[in-house]
Amino acid sequence: ETGVTQTPRHLVMGMTNKKSLKCEQHLGHNAMYWYKQSAKKPLELMFVYNFKEQTENNSVPSRFSPECPNSSHLFLHLHTLQPEDSALYLCASSQESAGVIQETQYFGPGTRLLVL
Amino acid sequence: AQKITQTQPGMFVQEKEAVTLDCTYDTSDPSYGLFWYKQPSSGEMIFLIYQGSYDQQNATEGRYSLNFQKARKSANLVISASQLGDSAMYFCAMREGTDSNYQLIWGAGTKLIIKP
Repeated sequence: ETGVTQTPRHLVMGMTNKKSLKCEQHLGHNAMYWYKQSAKKPLELMFVYNFKEQTENNSVPSRFSPECPNSSHLFLHLHTLQPEDSALYLCASSQESAGVIQETQYFGPGTRLLVL
Repeated sequence: AQKITQTQPGMFVQEKEAVTLDCTYDTSDPSYGLFWYKQPSSGEMIFLIYQGSYDQQNATEGRYSLNFQKARKSANLVISASQLGDSAMYFCAMREGTDSNYQLIWGAGTKLIIKP
């Protein structure tokens, strides 16, 4: 396994369903991220985990619930989503050091989510 | 105000020609970093090149180079000898040194299509 993997790659769900997106990084990084990418909009940062602690929650609705059990795995639990939540959800990881700006975020292939 | 501006929503370029993708940024932080990513239709964000605000030289990485004009706050990506596989969305992003959460601020992207 290399880099950052995400499963599933595609997901169709109804508004009453509960599902989870999974992300795994094999890079030994200490930070992980969830992004949402909607059509014609810049990438939106949803959550940041640094050393398994959530350090950022960008006003994301509570129907999205992140979980980071260890530094290699990140989940996004979904429940009672709305059609406007349909988007590409990207996971990323990086090795963060205090005061270092250059650390690059490496992305997974994303999960294309369609909410009906 | 937008912090990252990519003024070209789409570009068509003939194969083997060089192409310049524009990116301007806005920050009052003296310490920042600029990143370029490529996103093919498959969805994965692929890191291309990085430029730090204190770097004296323009960054280069294979066929990619960054035309960094600090006074004008621009960081244009130059792709030399374009190939059909370069067709993708290209995103410019910035990280500011004062942001302790190391968030990336993203532009809206440019869709590049290489014509055979």
